[in-house]
Amino acid sequence: ETGVTQSPTHLIKTRGQQVTLRCSSQSGHNTVSWYQQALGQGPQFIFQYYREEENGRGNFPPRFSGLQFPNYSSELNVNALELDDSALYLCASSFDRGEAFFGQGTRLTVV
Amino acid sequence: QKEVEQDPGPLSVPEGAIVSLNCTYSNSAFQYFMWYRQYSRKGPELLMYTYSSGNKEDGRFTAQVDKSSKYISLFIRDSQPSDSATYLCAMSPFTGNQFYFGTGTSLTVIP
Repeated sequence: ETGVTQSPTHLIKTRGQQVTLRCSSQSGHNTVSWYQQALGQGPQFIFQYYREEENGRGNFPPRFSGLQFPNYSSELNVNALELDDSALYLCASSFDRGEAFFGQGTRLTVV
Repeated sequence: QKEVEQDPGPLSVPEGAIVSLNCTYSNSAFQYFMWYRQYSRKGPELLMYTYSSGNKEDGRFTAQVDKSSKYISLFIRDSQPSDSATYLCAMSPFTGNQFYFGTGTSLTVIP
């Protein structure tokens, strides 16, 4: 167990809806990164938050947004869901952007 | 061309065999190299974290990095059925920066 907790574990949404995924980072960690993993692919970097500030963003459209709270937990929000957004969404936490430990992921299905 | 290339397999070996998993990359700025193990429908689990070229050993696992050839390897000695999983390589130019993942190699260890 890494101590990184994600919720919910599974989610089904309709195209066009909005979704919020949550991540509780490991105790003592101040950095959270979000990744999208499509079936049969490696994780793709969405963005990273370090001490509540966005600290890098991958090639994802603005409808993917995030937030990090003072306790370093984080949210990933996706607006106007598309079928291609169906994937496993992974959160990884680290201390001062060091070794990253992943949560179990949230499996999002868009229908 | 993808920044990180990884043979997806699948790879099937008998119990007790030595397994060799490999990744190549194109970005010479990568300095941090990681191997993750991912069981079906779970989050990736960090196995090895190395900096620059050289070898690192941890139990039955050995990671090798050859920056001159842009090639990294993970060796698993005395493979066990519990090692059956997908193995992901990941790399980054700076510590804690976004990770670039391979597509993963599926390994099955047959009892």
